[in-house]
Amino acid sequence: EAGVAQSPRYKIIEKRQSVAFWCNPISGHATLYWYQQILGQGPKLLIQFQNNGVVDDSQLPKDRFSAERLKGVDSTLKIQPAKLEDSAVYLCASSLNQGAAGANVLTFGAGSRLTVL
Amino acid sequence: QKEVEQNSGPLSVPEGAIASLNCTYSDRGSQSFFWYRQYSGKSPELIMSIYSNGDKEDGRFTAQLNKASQYVSLLIRDSQPSDSATYLCAVNPETSYDKVIFGPGTSLSVIP
Repeated sequence: EAGVAQSPRYKIIEKRQSVAFWCNPISGHATLYWYQQILGQGPKLLIQFQNNGVVDDSQLPKDRFSAERLKGVDSTLKIQPAKLEDSAVYLCASSLNQGAAGANVLTFGAGSRLTVL
Repeated sequence: QKEVEQNSGPLSVPEGAIASLNCTYSDRGSQSFFWYRQYSGKSPELIMSIYSNGDKEDGRFTAQLNKASQYVSLLIRDSQPSDSATYLCAVNPETSYDKVIFGPGTSLSVIP
């Protein structure tokens, strides 16, 4: 089975610019997560989708970050305007439908590394 | 109080020794617990999941869960240099069925 696809793998921008990251989850996985991982720290959940609905976005800085998951498949995470502290790896993960065995076992994509100068 | 806590390390063990990694969590109603391994520059990958009190073994890895103490651990027997990585403890809190919260990770170095 194909894994979780993410792009771009690397992005360098200047502060106050905008950036967008794309994620395509494993086919059939209803739940999609975006995590931010700053160097030396554990992944921090930004937003969680169940199909195309938002389940949790309590940690998403909504003044600059936005995310959508159209048609319950692909997802895009946008940052505008970017700050220096947004430099991190943005990890997309997906999991099986709610209620299924192993529903909350995550499969991660390769990540998108953002550097803000 | 942070939801998931781990010793940040780094933890160094000689090759062939047992590595012991510990994790505590704050949500007493949590039901699912996971250990992920993350090599430098790579994404986390699942090693073990555990849902019931007690031990669960998979090859050289043993996960231990004690819900009363809100404690989960990972033992790696016969540690190999290839086990050198950061180990992330993750918890599914009771408040959300599919939400997964990660700890800060423990860096393990296995010395040949």
